[in-house]
Amino acid sequence: KQEVTQIPAALSVPEGENLVLNCSFTDSAIYNLQWFRQDPGKGLTSLLLIQSSQREQTSGRLNASLDKSSGRSTLYIAASQPGDSATYLCAVTAGSYIPTFGRGTSLIVHP
Amino acid sequence: DGGITQSPKYLFRKEGQNVTLSCEQNLNHDAMYWYRQDPGQGLRLIYYSQIVNDFQKGDIAEGYSVSREKKESFPLTVTSAQKNPTAFYLCASSIGAGRVQETQYFGPGTRLLVL
Repeated sequence: KQEVTQIPAALSVPEGENLVLNCSFTDSAIYNLQWFRQDPGKGLTSLLLIQSSQREQTSGRLNASLDKSSGRSTLYIAASQPGDSATYLCAVTAGSYIPTFGRGTSLIVHP
Repeated sequence: DGGITQSPKYLFRKEGQNVTLSCEQNLNHDAMYWYRQDPGQGLRLIYYSQIVNDFQKGDIAEGYSVSREKKESFPLTVTSAQKNPTAFYLCASSIGAGRVQETQYFGPGTRLLVL
């Protein structure tokens, strides 16, 4: 069964820092990997989706990379801002076509 | 505006009561999902439906029931058999469960509390 782990569970950084969130998964036979953002008490918003044939995706200050062979993905946030404060979840889709979610990384960016 | 709506935002359940959470989408998506989220936990799949009049159990279906009579609607009933229902419930949809290129779109969630 696919297991998705996100490290760290929580992160607090000063504004302006570049930061990296990590996601690892146990079964490398995936179709895609997605990064989502969740604000407190809200639903999830998709940030980036990387297909299994791709190495990375970029959107603005966000860059997500995928290394299938090692079962890892990273989400890089450049020049962090207080508005980036949220929980970031990683989800992996494999054989069942149903995504498996990690527990998320709770990020606080303080001014 | 296209999207997914969930109602109510907050729901209170009394002991022994069944309650139903609403999920509606106007994205013309075939697939719909229900997840449960507990504090500090990831999303756990309750039920999913790939097409109208068909649905499948997820990892934690016990104590829950669903129906999919219309493409745009996928209500979730939390029955009295669910002994620990307090959680945040999220509904999602995607174009099709077999379309791996597509992402899921989520509703705003319903928080269920037990009185």
